[in-house]
Amino acid sequence: DTAVSQTPKYLVTQMGNDKSIKCEQNLGHDTMYWYKQDSKKFLKIMFSYNNKELIINETVPNRFSPKSPDKAHLNLHINSLELGDSAVYFCASSQDPREGGMNTQYFGPGTRLTVL
Amino acid sequence: AQSVTQPDIHITVSEGASLELRCNYSYGATPYLFWYVQSPGQGLQLLLKYFSGDTLVQGIKGFEAEFKRSQSSFNLRKPSVHWSDAAEHFCAVRGNTPLVFGKGTRLSVIA
Repeated sequence: DTAVSQTPKYLVTQMGNDKSIKCEQNLGHDTMYWYKQDSKKFLKIMFSYNNKELIINETVPNRFSPKSPDKAHLNLHINSLELGDSAVYFCASSQDPREGGMNTQYFGPGTRLTVL
Repeated sequence: AQSVTQPDIHITVSEGASLELRCNYSYGATPYLFWYVQSPGQGLQLLLKYFSGDTLVQGIKGFEAEFKRSQSSFNLRKPSVHWSDAAEHFCAVRGNTPLVFGKGTRLSVIA
């Protein structure tokens, strides 16, 4: 009955590789997000998708590409991985924040990416 | 755009003692306010949230927070800390832009 799930939990890879992180939510939400948490625990939003449409795209390198096959899934694909990409990546979901209201975000357990 | 400041990077309290974690926000109107907790190696769990109504909100695990508009604050409190409360605590605010997090306060609990 996990609300927001991510796979894998840990990902260790070499510089230059391409990797994907998967996220799924079963809360019936129509908006999903990706956040990056750096080594100092600072959390910052990367992307937001609503009903498979990109609605937020912060200043993230275009090596990062979110892909949403349906509104319950938002995957993060990263090309040509760099050392600085090492971080914990969190997926989250909520109702559409543009509709007003609280729209609490619920977070997945995170994926710890280590680039060697 | 909104911003959040958590002035305390690290706080240590004794088990059973009371706790207050500070959070100040910057936003022109009343924002949506949240406290999340991240246990070591875990994801973020929502402790409580506020938008309107009673300025003292109750959350899970015995936590509460008080919204003070005059001080632009949303401090988190707990009357008696348990060892399991040791974690990173994040204050977050949402106004007219996406959720913005503070840098977190790490809570350590000693016997």
